[in-house]
Amino acid sequence: KAGVTQTPRYLIKTRGQQVTLSCSPISGHRSVSWYQQTPGQGLQFLFEYFSETQRNKGNFPGRFSGRQFSNSRSEMNVSTLELGDSALYLCASSLVGGLASGETQYFGPGTRLLVL
Amino acid sequence: GENVEQHPSTLSVQEGDSAVIKCTYSDSASNYFPWYKQELGKRPQLIIDIRSNVGEKKDQRIAVTLNKTAKHFSLHITETQPEDSAVYFCAATPFGNEKLTFGTGTRLTIIP
Repeated sequence: KAGVTQTPRYLIKTRGQQVTLSCSPISGHRSVSWYQQTPGQGLQFLFEYFSETQRNKGNFPGRFSGRQFSNSRSEMNVSTLELGDSALYLCASSLVGGLASGETQYFGPGTRLLVL
Repeated sequence: GENVEQHPSTLSVQEGDSAVIKCTYSDSASNYFPWYKQELGKRPQLIIDIRSNVGEKKDQRIAVTLNKTAKHFSLHITETQPEDSAVYFCAATPFGNEKLTFGTGTRLTIIP
């Protein structure tokens, strides 16, 4: 089975621009979560999607948004980019999102975003 | 919300010795505790996890212990090898909430 894939792998943007990142989960997985990883803040949860609905949300401003398509692929969008948005953005997938019930979450390779 | 603290932030051990990383959490509703290993430039990889209905879990050289009363869990790596060098993250989440809260990471260096 192919793993979680993310595109693009690297991205350079300037302040004020907006960006869209894409995540394709493992085949059959319907839950997709997004995380931001920075040296200063570590790994922080952004949001989780299941069946095209946002089911959980972290503490990020409204500039960060996402969506999920009927094939479970997910995108996240960051509008009005700030320098502090420079980070590695990771997505992770699991079957239905039942981590506490026995599922495992698998991470993609990430998209490294640099905001200049 | 949940808060996870992880110690130490850096750890160096001689090859063959054991390494222990500790995490504490704040939300008593948390009941799933995974550990991830992240090598430089790579994605986090799940190495072991534990759920609240057990106190200890082992997988070859790796073990995790959980103390729900004290709200802490630990990763134990025995007979360390150079390939164990990486950053290790603990995390916690309550049942029914797929929002993983991560610790700040431990950079483990194995000295040959």
